[in-house]
Amino acid sequence: GENVEQHPSTLSVQEGDSAVIKCTYSDSASNYFPWYKQELGKGPQLIIDIRSNVGEKKDQRIAVTLNKTAKHFSLHITETQPEDSAVYFCAASHRDDKIIFGKGTRLHILP
Amino acid sequence: NAGVTQTPKFQVLKTGQSMTLQCAQDMNHNSMYWYRQDPGMGLRLIYYSASEGTTDKGEVPNGYNVSRLNKREFSLRLESAAPSQTSVYFCASSTGSGGEQYFGPGTRLTVT
Repeated sequence: GENVEQHPSTLSVQEGDSAVIKCTYSDSASNYFPWYKQELGKGPQLIIDIRSNVGEKKDQRIAVTLNKTAKHFSLHITETQPEDSAVYFCAASHRDDKIIFGKGTRLHILP
Repeated sequence: NAGVTQTPKFQVLKTGQSMTLQCAQDMNHNSMYWYRQDPGMGLRLIYYSASEGTTDKGEVPNGYNVSRLNKREFSLRLESAAPSQTSVYFCASSTGSGGEQYFGPGTRLTVT
């Protein structure tokens, strides 16, 4: 079955700097790659997603890149702000109704 | 729209006790899911239901049962709770067409 690896597990960046989180997946049939943000005490919430027919997608300060050949995808957050502090999960899916999550990255934005 | 709701928010059980976690969604979604979240382990799928009347096992189904009561509701039952089932449980729903999953606020369960 699908296996998703996520790195790093913890990341601290200075406010205003960029943050990058990287994930790899094992199943070459996977074609949907969402990213979720989880704030303390809440359920995860989708922040951006990308499908396998696209190499890059951007939404304001957030971007995701996908390299299907290498089977890895990354989340980029630019001009980080205090409210970006949270746990971020990558995920992968090749079935319409089931996704596999990475173990998460705890992002700390330092003042 | 309330989205995805879960009850209870917190629960403490003794080993061997049983309980049912309730989940409901008001978005007319076809698919519903139960995950558990443990420190350092991310979100692991317990069971899911692609449509009313169907359920399938996820990564970690042992010790759990589920019921898709109707399109809105999907419950998770622990028949004989064990300390290893101490976790935060999340319910989620989606259209089932490869789109976004919407998560509930979670249930924090402690088994002593």
